[in-house]
Amino acid sequence: EIVLTQSPATLSVSPGESATLSCRASQSVNTNLAWYQQKPGQAPRLLIFSASTRAPGFPARFSGGGSGTEFTLTIRSLQSEDFAVYYCQQYNDWPRYTFGQGTKLEIK
Amino acid sequence: QVQLQESGPGLVKPSETLSLTCSVSRGSISDGNYWAWIRQSPGKGLEWLGTVYHTGTTYYNPSLQTRITLAVDTSKRQVSLRLKSVTASDSAVYYCARGGFHTSWGWFDPWGQGILVTVAS
Repeated sequence: EIVLTQSPATLSVSPGESATLSCRASQSVNTNLAWYQQKPGQAPRLLIFSASTRAPGFPARFSGGGSGTEFTLTIRSLQSEDFAVYYCQQYNDWPRYTFGQGTKLEIK
Repeated sequence: QVQLQESGPGLVKPSETLSLTCSVSRGSISDGNYWAWIRQSPGKGLEWLGTVYHTGTTYYNPSLQTRITLAVDTSKRQVSLRLKSVTASDSAVYYCARGGFHTSWGWFDPWGQGILVTVAS
């Protein structure tokens, strides 16, 4: 099973600043990685797929990058609605998809 | 945009079978779509359970292979999940979602709102 390790567990950032979240895979997943945003009481929502393709409905200040075992999610100019928990998911290892444990992005 | 809604009992007794239904609206249940079940618990985080193609072909997480059954009823526009011999560790919020097939469609979008299932006597 591919283990995804997200860091940090919690990230405190002020509105208007930028945040960079990390996802590290225990073995290469190529670019078969997705990111999700989850707000309290809601289901996860697809944010990024194929490591860097932004899903419809999310603004350009969200960007994903990386390949192999190292991935990042960067959010520029943080808005109040961006504070949430973010999860990465690999879909390279079929049928053993796995998710990271999440990074909570909170207001500083 | 397709919408998904999970339904079923919120409480299941240990050793019994958990049965949930996902209703698909505002979109086709067929047209090449794959439908997945994912659960989320404080202890295990997010866990992909399995995927069913609209033709009924199923793909399961090996860790649950012996206990899980997915099915699709295109006439009712529903996808179902059965998980047998449940224990407390199966307590979670269960989500249905579109997607989840190999690397070609390995992500999940959209998701249903989820249903909390507790396993307890």
